[in-house]
Amino acid sequence: ETGVTQTPRHLVMGMTNKKSLKCEQHLGHNAMYWYKQSAKKPLELMFVYNFKEQTENNSVPSRFSPECPNSSHLFLHLHTLQPEDSALYLCASSHALNDRGPYEQYFGPGTRLTVT
Amino acid sequence: DQQVKQNSPSLSVQEGRISILNCDYTNSMFDYFLWYKKYPAEGPTFLISISSIKDKNEDGRFTVFLNKSAKHLSLHIVPSQPGDSAVYFCAASARYGGSQGNLIFGKGTKLSVKP
Repeated sequence: ETGVTQTPRHLVMGMTNKKSLKCEQHLGHNAMYWYKQSAKKPLELMFVYNFKEQTENNSVPSRFSPECPNSSHLFLHLHTLQPEDSALYLCASSHALNDRGPYEQYFGPGTRLTVT
Repeated sequence: DQQVKQNSPSLSVQEGRISILNCDYTNSMFDYFLWYKKYPAEGPTFLISISSIKDKNEDGRFTVFLNKSAKHLSLHIVPSQPGDSAVYFCAASARYGGSQGNLIFGKGTKLSVKP
């Protein structure tokens, strides 16, 4: 595997379900990100992890819970979602955030989530 | 209020001609700018970036121009090819006074290059 991979690519879930999105990067990066892309809206940053530590939570509702067990893996745990949470969820990675940054981010293909 | 604006939702260009995609920003703290290309069913792909200490950066057929006084940047693709047909996103980031990891994206411009 190369680059940034995401699973599953498509997910349909009911409002009472619990599911998780997985992201893995094979680029040797130390920063990872979750973004949300809704129809006709710009990409919205949700969470940032730098060396496994969360450095940004962009006022995301608690029904979205991120987990970063190591610099290569990132999860987004979902529970009691709403239909308006239906969107494309994108994971990205970059070199570690430091004073020499910022750096370009490399994206995975995304998970298309539909909440019914 | 949107800090990064791409005012043209779509652009159609003939193959071989120049494509010019525009982007405006409002936050004077932004000092790093990027362009991404996105095909359907794929994630955005990094194309080219520019730091605020430069006003031009070139990579093959792609050139990005930055006009700091106007808070405007543009991406030039020449010559345009049908494979360039995609949605192009402009993004901006601030090294100081905010999160370095926070890329602010525009809504995108859909480029169609006609053979």
